[in-house]
Amino acid sequence: KAGVTQTPRYLIKTRGQQVTLSCSPISGHRSVSWYQQTPGQGLQFLFEYFSETQRNKGNFPGRFSGRQFSNSRSEMNVSTLELGDSALYLCASSLRAGQTDTQYFGPGTRLTVL
Amino acid sequence: AQSVTQPDIHITVSEGASLELRCNYSYGATPYLFWYVQSPGQGLQLLLKYFSGDTLVQGIKGFEAEFKRSQSSFNLRKPSVHWSDAAEYFCAVGARVSTLTFGKGTMLLVSP
Repeated sequence: KAGVTQTPRYLIKTRGQQVTLSCSPISGHRSVSWYQQTPGQGLQFLFEYFSETQRNKGNFPGRFSGRQFSNSRSEMNVSTLELGDSALYLCASSLRAGQTDTQYFGPGTRLTVL
Repeated sequence: AQSVTQPDIHITVSEGASLELRCNYSYGATPYLFWYVQSPGQGLQLLLKYFSGDTLVQGIKGFEAEFKRSQSSFNLRKPSVHWSDAAEYFCAVGARVSTLTFGKGTMLLVSP
């Protein structure tokens, strides 16, 4: 069974641009979460989608948005990029985010903002 | 608000020695607790999790963790460390598996 895949793996953008990252969850998983990982702030929860609906959102500005498609694939978008958005963006999926579920992480997309 | 503290940024352990990584949490209700490991350039891998029941939890790769409600702690242990255990370890807490609050991580270095 294929794991969580994220594309692209590496990305370089300049300030002010916008970027879209993609995540394909494990087959059959309906919950997808996104996390931002930086050396200073560590791992921070961005948002969670379940059955195409945003179920939870972390404390990030509105420049960060996401969506989930009917096949559970998810995208996140960051508009008007800032230097501080440079980070590893991790996607994770689980069956239903239920109590006994396990959340599996992808390898991440490394975003560098110049 | 929930939070996780991992007091040790770096820990160096000799190969074959025992290991304990500390984790303290702040959470309003009964917490769901997790330990993840991240190797360089990799995503996170779940080592073990605690939801309820037996406070000593067994995980993969020979790791275990003990939940102590009175101390708000969930420390990770391994009796004998292998060089391949060198990685960064994260403790996390959440109301559900999909919305976790992570600690800042502890980098484990294994010396020969």
